This record gives sequence, structure tokens and C-alpha cells, in this order.
Amino acid sequence: SAVISQKPSRDICQRGTSLTIQCQVDSQVTMMFWYRQQPGQSLTLIATANQGSEATYESGFVIDKFPISRPNLTFSTLTVSNMSPEDSSIYLCSVVTGSGSPLHFGNGTRLTVT
Amino acid sequence: QKEVEQNSGPLSVPEGAIASLNCTYSDRGSQSFFWYRQYSGKSPELIMFIYSNGDKEDGRFTAQLNKASQYVSLLIRDSQPSDSATYLCAVRVETSYDKVIFGPGTSLSVIP
Repeated sequence: SAVISQKPSRDICQRGTSLTIQCQVDSQVTMMFWYRQQPGQSLTLIATANQGSEATYESGFVIDKFPISRPNLTFSTLTVSNMSPEDSSIYLCSVVTGSGSPLHFGNGTRLTVT
Repeated sequence: QKEVEQNSGPLSVPEGAIASLNCTYSDRGSQSFFWYRQYSGKSPELIMFIYSNGDKEDGRFTAQLNKASQYVSLLIRDSQPSDSATYLCAVRVETSYDKVIFGPGTSLSVIP
């Protein structure tokens, strides 16, 4: 399966600031997704990162708060904007290497907002 | 989002026993089903996937799928303390972009 590198692995940020998380895959993948895992919770899909076009956001998530880029088939970024303590979560990049294939995850970014 | 539900935990089983984890889903059109294991502080790890009705075995793990009942399960035979983790059921929703939805997870504790 693909090797997924996500950085930073963790960060502590002040409220009102923004953080950009990077996801790099060692091979071209068909789909890239961003998930959030709040403390003690399961995974919630934020959006699908589309190569060369605007991301597809799930209900409850908006582009102004979570802008996403995917300039090519191996790289994506998620920005968490104007952060509040409620944004403290683990953010996970995931990929699908072929149609119908399972999701594979990066190691995640643990974000704490103070 | 379509719903995926799992039996509430935590689930405790003695070492060597069979652990049974259950999952139901609401989207009747779903075709792909996954089980992930997540250790505390780690990202989810794929352990099984199943696409067809019936059983699929891989070592100590067996996934069972019944699309008519919209039910998928995971059996862990000869449970080991290292199996103690949260198990996440995930379902691919057939949309134009094939998103995967996760259940709330079941925490499993294997007691030595």
C-alpha cells in the first residue's frame, strides 16, 4: 500500500491563528480524503480533496474554515482557519489507491488549540 | 451522512475467547465494507475488507456480511491481549466520489 507522510505530527496553536497540514503520498492515488477525530470520538469526513478543482465538503464543514488544496495526484493540504479550542482534534489524511480499494491513513496531526 | 452503527462497548473477553463485533448500516446501496483497528494514539489500521455476502477469513479474523440485513460483523478467534483496541466499522457510500463513513467504534479489552 501507499506510504502516506503527514506533517506536522502535532502542534499547539493559539486561538485565532491558522495551521496548514500537509499530506504527501509516495505514489499517485485516485482519491484523497481528510477526516477529523475529536477526543474520544470516531472519524468524521471533512472533505474529499479533488485534484485540480475545489474540494467536496461534507455537511457541517465549509471551505472558509477548512480550505483544501490538491495540486497533483500525490499531495494535499488542509488548513484549519481561525482556530478555536473546539478545533482541537486529530486530523487524518487518507487515500484510496484504486477504485473500490480500502482507505489507508497517514499518522495524523494532533492539534491542540489554546 | 449515511449512518453506520456498532454495538456499544466496551467489550471485554478473556484471553483465548472469541470476540464478536457487530455493525449495521443504513445505505442499502453500499457495496464495500471495512474493519479498522485503532490503538490509542495511533491512526486506524485496516484489518479486513469484504465486498460479497458470506464469510471472509484471514488468520484469526473472520468478517461476515449480510447485505439483505444490512449487517456486517467481525469475529476474532483466540483473542490476545494485543487485540485490545477500538474497532471501527466503515462503509463505502456509493456516490460520485466513493466516500467512506465510519461507525462510532467498539472498544475491545482482552483480559489475560
